[in-house]
Amino acid sequence: QTVVTQEPSLTVSPGGTVTLTCASNTRSVTSGNFPSWFQQKPGQSPRALIYMTSNRHSWTPARFSGSLLGGKAVLTLSDVQPEDEAEYYCLLYYGGAQFVWVFGGGTKLTVL
Amino acid sequence: EIQLVESGGGLAQPGRSLRLSCSASGFSFGDSAMSWFRQAPGKGLEWVAFIRGKPYGVTTEYAASVRGRFSMSRDDSKSIAYLQMNSLKTEDTAVYYCVRVSYDASWRGYHLDHWGQGTLVTVSS
Repeated sequence: QTVVTQEPSLTVSPGGTVTLTCASNTRSVTSGNFPSWFQQKPGQSPRALIYMTSNRHSWTPARFSGSLLGGKAVLTLSDVQPEDEAEYYCLLYYGGAQFVWVFGGGTKLTVL
Repeated sequence: EIQLVESGGGLAQPGRSLRLSCSASGFSFGDSAMSWFRQAPGKGLEWVAFIRGKPYGVTTEYAASVRGRFSMSRDDSKSIAYLQMNSLKTEDTAVYYCVRVSYDASWRGYHLDHWGQGTLVTVSS
């Protein structure tokens, strides 16, 4: 069974920088997993932030950036704002024999 | 403006059926792939079902947890995507989200962009 792992929680100070990671138990995460990232605030639907590893949607602030590092997908938030406090989910695609999308368990980001 | 509005959620007994609808507007629905995701109360996100757009054959894919019980379809003339849920289980209780899926030709892969507000399905006796 494919499991995607994220840090359960992280804390960052306003104006600081924080890195969230997304790892797969089957193999290193690559661009072929089409890593994407989503932000969800309490009581709201998820909002897409990053797709295809590092591409921002038109509505995504430039302080959000995505990359691959050390076999993981990475979401970096720079100059963190209070409104960035939210749950963040990564999503990986596993193709081949079957089409499968798997989310990570989410990272609760606290801005304090 | 792209809008996705889910409906059809509610209370169902285990073993019964429900059909969710997702009414779409603001984009070329027939050319777009669509997908359903869900989120159990207090839990994370889970992919449920996916349907390709007309250019790619309107074929479907399902998560293992729902394969054989759920069926996704679309009516392009009405810009509506459906999720037929049969043999419901208590573990199907969740908010179900309809999501537009875009195809990136340069990467030859799909990614999610717009999400609906969700509809709650509760399976309980």
